[in-house]
Amino acid sequence: DIQMTQSPSSLSASVGDRVTITCRASQGISNSLAWYQQKPGKAPKLLLYAASRLESGVPSRFSGSGSGTDYTLTISSLQPEDFATYYCQQYYSTPMYTFGQGTKLEIK
Amino acid sequence: QVQLVQSGAEVKKPGASVKVSCKASGYTFTSYGISWVRQAPGQGLEWMGWISAYNGNTNYAQKLQGRVTMTTDTSTSTAYMELRSLRSDDTAVYYCAMNLFGDYWTHWGQGTLVTVSS
Repeated sequence: DIQMTQSPSSLSASVGDRVTITCRASQGISNSLAWYQQKPGKAPKLLLYAASRLESGVPSRFSGSGSGTDYTLTISSLQPEDFATYYCQQYYSTPMYTFGQGTKLEIK
Repeated sequence: QVQLVQSGAEVKKPGASVKVSCKASGYTFTSYGISWVRQAPGQGLEWMGWISAYNGNTNYAQKLQGRVTMTTDTSTSTAYMELRSLRSDDTAVYYCAMNLFGDYWTHWGQGTLVTVSS
């Protein structure tokens, strides 16, 4: 099974900050990576897929990059509504999938 | 528009079984697969398995093999997830999810809370 290691597990930041979350796969996943945002009591929301493609309707302050085993999610200028938990998900080994452990983004 | 509507909350005793349903609408049900994802209280997302609504093929997470069964009813466009031999650590919100275009998920059910308690 492909393991996904996400870091950090939590992060404190202020409105306007630039933040980066990292996801490392246990083997190469050829950009088969999605990022989700989840708010308390809600289902996850897809932000990006194919490592860097922005889902329709998602603000452009969200971006993704990476290749091979290492991927990043960047929020260029944090907005109040961005404080949430973020998860990466690999789909290289379809139809077997794995999530990262999550990163909780909190207000400083 | 795609909608996934799940059945309501359940309370079960340890050792019992639970069956959660996910009724799909807004797309051709048999053309896509559905995944099930769960989230224990305060914990992360855990992928449980996937079923093809086209032919019923399944793929389950290794840790749940032998306890989970996913099925579909194409006559009602409904997917089901049954989990047996419930334990307290199966207490979680269970989601169904799908996507029309890839192996990541744009559409999610509202979640079903399953509580396992004696």
